[in-house]
Amino acid sequence: AQSVTQLDSQVPVFEEAPVELRCNYSSSVSVYLFWYVQYPNQGLQLLLKYLSGSTLVESINGFEAEFNKSQTSFHLRKPSVHISDTAEYFCAVSSSGAGSYQLTFGKGTKLSVIP
Amino acid sequence: GAGVSQTPSNKVTEKGKYVELRCDPISGHTALYWYRQSLGQGPEFLIYFQGTGAADDSGLPNDRFFAVRPEGSVSTLKIQRTERGDSAVYLCASSTGTDGNTIYFGEGSWLTVV
Repeated sequence: AQSVTQLDSQVPVFEEAPVELRCNYSSSVSVYLFWYVQYPNQGLQLLLKYLSGSTLVESINGFEAEFNKSQTSFHLRKPSVHISDTAEYFCAVSSSGAGSYQLTFGKGTKLSVIP
Repeated sequence: GAGVSQTPSNKVTEKGKYVELRCDPISGHTALYWYRQSLGQGPEFLIYFQGTGAADDSGLPNDRFFAVRPEGSVSTLKIQRTERGDSAVYLCASSTGTDGNTIYFGEGSWLTVV
């Protein structure tokens, strides 16, 4: 069984400040890791994912996350946030290979960007 | 269509009634998933289809829940004898079904049982 812990349920941050959303997972097998974002009144959208290779992955809108196997973490960071980044962010894990269809999600972190 | 489409977007039903939720996946996607998201929680896996067959239905909470995908495209999630605890957003998603592929989610069907 796998689990995901998102340590902060809400994160307020001022516009143009840096932010880190924390995610830890537990799994007995190799994993894939994902961050999904849910903007107000919209569905979940994939932000970025780690499958293999470089442990640092980036999204097109300036977010990045680093897979740390020893700490079982996949924290999401952005050096300077915008108002438009206000959303709920979900970390998710799946088994690699044949089990990759089943995502286990954390409870989400609501990011509020303050003007 | 361009994305995963779910209908209805909102459904209010009385306790004990039967409900059907429909999902139209992205064209060409062979894999289809149903998840349930309760208030304040992340989405929880319910069932996974590869083509017409349910490859994994281990997440269905009990035998009141059933899902079909008869032609390998549109899927229907069916809930019998609804209970207030069934109130949640039901999310459908689809993908190409290959290892590590991106799973695309619809906007969900918000079910309220009163």
